[in-house]
Amino acid sequence: DTGVSQNPRHKITKRGQNVTFRCDPISEHNRLYWYRQTLGQGPEFLTYFQNEAQLEKSRLLSDRFSAERPKGSFSTLEIQRTEQGDSAMYLCASSLGLKSEQYFGPGTRLTVT
Amino acid sequence: GIQVEQSPPDLILQEGANSTLRCNFSDSVNNLQWFHQNPWGQLINLFYIPSGTKQNGRLSATTVATERYSLLYISSSQTTDSGVYFCAVELGGATNKLIFGTGTLLAVQP
Repeated sequence: DTGVSQNPRHKITKRGQNVTFRCDPISEHNRLYWYRQTLGQGPEFLTYFQNEAQLEKSRLLSDRFSAERPKGSFSTLEIQRTEQGDSAMYLCASSLGLKSEQYFGPGTRLTVT
Repeated sequence: GIQVEQSPPDLILQEGANSTLRCNFSDSVNNLQWFHQNPWGQLINLFYIPSGTKQNGRLSATTVATERYSLLYISSSQTTDSGVYFCAVELGGATNKLIFGTGTLLAVQP
Protein backbone atom coordinates (compact mmCIF):
# COMPACT_ATOMS: atom_id res chain seq x y z
CA ASP A 1 0.00 0.00 0.00
CA THR A 2 1.58 3.25 -1.09
CA GLY A 3 -1.10 5.71 0.01
CA VAL A 4 -1.51 7.82 3.13
CA SER A 5 -3.18 5.88 5.94
CA GLN A 6 -4.97 7.12 9.04
CA ASN A 7 -6.20 5.40 12.17
CA PRO A 8 -8.73 5.13 13.55
CA ARG A 9 -11.22 5.88 10.81
CA HIS A 10 -13.94 6.77 13.29
CA LYS A 11 -13.78 7.84 16.91
CA ILE A 12 -16.65 8.60 19.26
CA THR A 13 -15.69 10.10 22.58
CA LYS A 14 -17.32 11.89 25.47
CA ARG A 15 -16.66 15.54 26.11
CA GLY A 16 -13.60 16.02 28.28
CA GLN A 17 -11.80 12.89 27.14
CA ASN A 18 -8.46 12.88 25.31
CA VAL A 19 -8.11 11.36 21.85
CA THR A 20 -5.12 10.58 19.64
CA PHE A 21 -5.06 10.03 15.89
CA ARG A 22 -2.28 8.55 13.79
CA CYS A 23 -1.18 9.30 10.24
CA ASP A 24 1.27 7.27 8.18
CA PRO A 25 2.41 9.26 5.13
CA ILE A 26 3.64 7.94 1.82
CA SER A 27 7.02 6.47 2.72
CA GLU A 28 9.37 8.81 0.86
CA HIS A 29 7.41 12.00 1.59
CA ASN A 30 9.17 14.39 3.95
CA ARG A 31 6.29 16.86 4.35
CA LEU A 32 3.20 16.06 6.40
CA TYR A 33 0.10 18.18 6.95
CA TRP A 34 -2.95 18.03 9.19
CA TYR A 35 -6.25 19.59 8.13
CA ARG A 36 -9.68 19.71 9.73
CA GLN A 37 -12.98 19.60 7.84
CA THR A 38 -16.36 20.40 9.33
CA LEU A 39 -19.67 19.58 7.71
CA GLY A 40 -20.30 21.51 4.51
CA GLN A 41 -16.91 23.21 4.51
CA GLY A 42 -13.61 22.63 2.78
CA PRO A 43 -10.62 21.36 4.74
CA GLU A 44 -8.69 23.94 6.79
CA PHE A 45 -4.98 23.79 7.50
CA LEU A 46 -3.94 22.95 11.07
CA THR A 47 -0.22 22.24 11.10
CA TYR A 48 2.75 21.15 9.00
CA PHE A 49 5.91 19.09 9.51
CA GLN A 50 9.03 18.91 7.43
CA ASN A 51 10.69 15.71 8.53
CA GLU A 52 10.39 15.78 12.34
CA ALA A 53 10.21 19.55 12.69
CA GLN A 54 6.82 21.22 13.20
CA LEU A 55 7.26 24.40 11.18
CA GLU A 56 3.83 26.03 11.17
CA LYS A 57 0.69 25.95 13.28
CA SER A 58 -2.63 27.54 12.43
CA ARG A 59 -4.50 29.74 14.86
CA LEU A 60 -7.16 27.00 14.71
CA LEU A 61 -4.78 24.80 16.70
CA SER A 62 -5.64 25.71 20.27
CA ASP A 63 -3.42 24.73 23.19
CA ARG A 64 -5.55 21.60 23.65
CA PHE A 65 -4.15 20.28 20.38
CA SER A 66 -0.66 18.85 20.01
CA ALA A 67 0.99 17.14 17.08
CA GLU A 68 4.21 15.21 16.80
CA ARG A 69 6.19 13.48 14.13
CA PRO A 70 8.94 11.53 15.86
CA LYS A 71 11.76 10.42 13.57
CA GLY A 72 10.08 12.12 10.65
CA SER A 73 7.87 9.15 9.82
CA PHE A 74 4.32 8.76 11.18
CA SER A 75 2.57 11.61 12.97
CA THR A 76 0.10 11.80 15.84
CA LEU A 77 -2.48 14.46 16.60
CA GLU A 78 -3.76 14.59 20.17
CA ILE A 79 -6.74 16.55 21.40
CA GLN A 80 -7.00 17.01 25.14
CA ARG A 81 -10.25 17.72 27.00
CA THR A 82 -12.34 17.34 23.87
CA GLU A 83 -15.26 19.71 23.26
CA GLN A 84 -18.30 19.26 21.06
CA GLY A 85 -16.86 21.84 18.67
CA ASP A 86 -13.96 19.49 17.99
CA SER A 87 -16.31 17.15 16.12
CA ALA A 88 -14.98 17.08 12.55
CA MET A 89 -13.08 15.04 9.99
CA TYR A 90 -9.33 15.20 10.61
CA LEU A 91 -7.34 14.75 7.42
CA CYS A 92 -3.67 14.07 6.95
CA ALA A 93 -1.72 14.75 3.76
CA SER A 94 1.84 14.26 2.64
CA SER A 95 4.04 15.57 -0.14
CA LEU A 96 7.57 15.24 -1.43
CA GLY A 97 9.35 18.54 -1.09
CA LEU A 98 8.31 22.07 -1.92
CA LYS A 99 5.94 22.73 -4.82
CA SER A 100 4.74 19.17 -5.04
CA GLU A 101 1.32 17.59 -5.02
CA GLN A 102 -0.31 16.77 -1.70
CA TYR A 103 -1.97 13.38 -1.23
CA PHE A 104 -4.62 12.87 1.42
CA GLY A 105 -5.48 9.99 3.68
CA PRO A 106 -9.04 8.74 4.26
CA GLY A 107 -9.45 10.85 7.40
CA THR A 108 -10.50 10.22 10.98
CA ARG A 109 -14.07 11.25 11.76
CA LEU A 110 -14.34 12.44 15.37
CA THR A 111 -17.66 12.74 17.16
CA VAL A 112 -17.70 14.30 20.61
CA THR A 113 -20.87 13.57 22.57
CA GLY B 1 -6.21 36.43 3.47
CA ILE B 2 -6.77 34.92 0.08
CA GLN B 3 -10.35 34.09 -0.98
CA VAL B 4 -11.05 30.99 -3.04
CA GLU B 5 -14.56 30.79 -4.43
CA GLN B 6 -16.10 28.05 -6.51
CA SER B 7 -19.15 28.07 -8.72
CA PRO B 8 -21.73 26.80 -9.00
CA PRO B 9 -22.21 25.70 -5.38
CA ASP B 10 -24.55 22.88 -6.47
CA LEU B 11 -25.09 21.14 -9.77
CA ILE B 12 -27.46 18.40 -10.86
CA LEU B 13 -26.77 16.61 -14.14
CA GLN B 14 -28.27 13.80 -16.11
CA GLU B 15 -25.87 10.98 -16.88
CA GLY B 16 -24.01 11.74 -20.10
CA ALA B 17 -24.13 15.52 -19.76
CA ASN B 18 -21.08 17.80 -19.70
CA SER B 19 -20.26 20.43 -17.09
CA THR B 20 -17.79 23.15 -16.21
CA LEU B 21 -16.80 24.00 -12.65
CA ARG B 22 -15.03 27.27 -11.88
CA CYS B 23 -12.54 28.29 -9.20
CA ASN B 24 -11.66 31.96 -8.66
CA PHE B 25 -8.89 33.09 -6.33
CA SER B 26 -8.18 36.58 -5.12
CA ASP B 27 -4.37 36.63 -5.11
CA SER B 28 -1.37 35.13 -6.86
CA VAL B 29 -0.74 31.50 -6.04
CA ASN B 30 2.14 29.09 -6.54
CA ASN B 31 0.04 26.09 -7.45
CA LEU B 32 -3.49 24.76 -7.68
CA GLN B 33 -4.96 21.31 -7.15
CA TRP B 34 -8.41 19.91 -7.98
CA PHE B 35 -9.89 17.17 -5.78
CA HIS B 36 -12.99 15.00 -5.82
CA GLN B 37 -14.30 14.13 -2.37
CA ASN B 38 -16.27 10.92 -2.47
CA PRO B 39 -19.25 10.15 -0.17
CA TRP B 40 -16.89 8.50 2.35
CA GLY B 41 -14.83 11.67 2.66
CA GLN B 42 -11.75 10.58 0.76
CA LEU B 43 -10.10 13.37 -1.24
CA ILE B 44 -9.04 12.04 -4.61
CA ASN B 45 -6.42 13.94 -6.58
CA LEU B 46 -7.62 15.01 -9.99
CA PHE B 47 -5.15 17.61 -11.22
CA TYR B 48 -2.08 19.47 -10.07
CA ILE B 49 -2.21 22.44 -12.40
CA PRO B 50 -0.48 25.74 -11.63
CA SER B 51 -1.05 26.89 -15.22
CA GLY B 52 -2.05 25.60 -18.62
CA THR B 53 -4.32 22.71 -19.53
CA LYS B 54 -4.25 19.03 -18.60
CA GLN B 55 -6.50 16.16 -19.54
CA ASN B 56 -7.15 12.82 -17.89
CA GLY B 57 -9.82 10.72 -19.56
CA ARG B 58 -13.19 12.46 -19.35
CA LEU B 59 -11.78 15.20 -17.15
CA SER B 60 -9.70 18.19 -18.10
CA ALA B 61 -8.59 21.33 -16.30
CA THR B 62 -7.33 24.74 -17.30
CA THR B 63 -5.67 27.30 -15.04
CA VAL B 64 -5.12 30.90 -16.14
CA ALA B 65 -2.92 32.12 -13.31
CA THR B 66 -2.64 35.67 -14.61
CA GLU B 67 -6.43 36.02 -14.47
CA ARG B 68 -6.72 34.08 -11.21
CA TYR B 69 -9.10 31.31 -12.17
CA SER B 70 -9.20 27.63 -12.98
CA LEU B 71 -11.82 25.52 -14.74
CA LEU B 72 -12.60 21.82 -14.40
CA TYR B 73 -14.43 20.17 -17.29
CA ILE B 74 -16.33 16.93 -16.86
CA SER B 75 -17.56 15.31 -20.05
CA SER B 76 -20.04 12.45 -20.44
CA SER B 77 -20.75 12.47 -16.71
CA GLN B 78 -21.38 9.23 -14.84
CA THR B 79 -23.12 8.58 -11.53
CA THR B 80 -19.74 7.80 -10.00
CA ASP B 81 -18.74 11.43 -10.66
CA SER B 82 -21.13 12.52 -7.90
CA GLY B 83 -19.60 14.14 -4.86
CA VAL B 84 -17.95 17.40 -3.90
CA TYR B 85 -15.29 18.98 -6.06
CA PHE B 86 -12.73 21.23 -4.40
CA CYS B 87 -10.04 23.42 -5.80
CA ALA B 88 -7.19 24.26 -3.44
CA VAL B 89 -4.48 26.85 -3.93
CA GLU B 90 -0.98 26.81 -2.59
CA LEU B 91 0.38 30.11 -1.39
CA GLY B 92 4.00 31.16 -1.58
CA GLY B 93 6.45 30.65 1.24
CA ALA B 94 8.02 27.57 2.76
CA THR B 95 4.90 25.73 3.91
CA ASN B 96 2.95 25.14 0.71
CA LYS B 97 -0.19 24.61 2.76
CA LEU B 98 -3.40 24.40 0.76
CA ILE B 99 -6.27 26.87 1.00
CA PHE B 100 -9.45 25.13 -0.11
CA GLY B 101 -12.32 26.64 -2.03
CA THR B 102 -15.97 26.56 -1.09
CA GLY B 103 -16.65 23.41 -3.12
CA THR B 104 -19.17 22.36 -5.78
CA LEU B 105 -21.62 19.60 -4.88
CA LEU B 106 -22.31 17.54 -8.00
CA ALA B 107 -25.13 15.02 -8.30
CA VAL B 108 -25.29 12.93 -11.47
CA GLN B 109 -28.64 11.22 -11.95
CA PRO B 110 -29.10 8.05 -14.02
